[in-house]
Amino acid sequence: DAGVIQSPRHEVTEMGQEVTLRCKPISGHDYLFWYRQTMMRGLELLIYFNNNVPIDDSGMPEDRFSAKMPNASFSTLKIQPSEPRDSAVYFCASSLLLNGLSDTGRGYTFGSGTRLTVV
Amino acid sequence: LAKTTQPISMDSYEGQEVNITCSHNNIATNDYITWYQQFPSQGPRFIIQGYKTKVTNEVASLFIPADRKSSTLSLPRVSLSDTAVYYCLVYSSASKIIFGSGTRLSIRP
Repeated sequence: DAGVIQSPRHEVTEMGQEVTLRCKPISGHDYLFWYRQTMMRGLELLIYFNNNVPIDDSGMPEDRFSAKMPNASFSTLKIQPSEPRDSAVYFCASSLLLNGLSDTGRGYTFGSGTRLTVV
Repeated sequence: LAKTTQPISMDSYEGQEVNITCSHNNIATNDYITWYQQFPSQGPRFIIQGYKTKVTNEVASLFIPADRKSSTLSLPRVSLSDTAVYYCLVYSSASKIIFGSGTRLSIRP
């Protein structure tokens, strides 16, 4: 398996523009997570899905952020309109279980992230 | 979620054994202890998890005393490539993973 695949790796956009980040989870993983990482706030969980259904979006900062998972192999995180304070690295992760705990649990598998810069 | 406390940063030298201790005084009966590693410009990577006593894998060892109020991640004979941020996480099967600030480990030649 190629692991969790995110695109693009880097995105630079102007304030007010729409930004769409993409993620392909590991095949067979039932859970998908979106995290945001900044120096000030560290790694923040934004939202997670179970079997393509959003379960907890309490970490989504505001209505400008939305996430979808139309099928088991694809998810998007959209920011519209984008603002400079949205600049961060956005990670997608997937797992068999909610937190990867099992006898053979290997935790979450993270993608390489998308570095977003809003100017 | 049990609150964890770990050092903000640590320094060591190549070839040394590094021990990072994490305090989790209010750990619950159903909670597991898990460590992740994050290299610059990469997402976190699962290292090891345990419930009690000692767990060892190809990367590290995890020591958990009987009271489970702390745990120690042990990295044998570190190299420059072990320079990373190490996160200690405590949670049960019913809870989502929340990352803290982690310990920034710097290895010098």
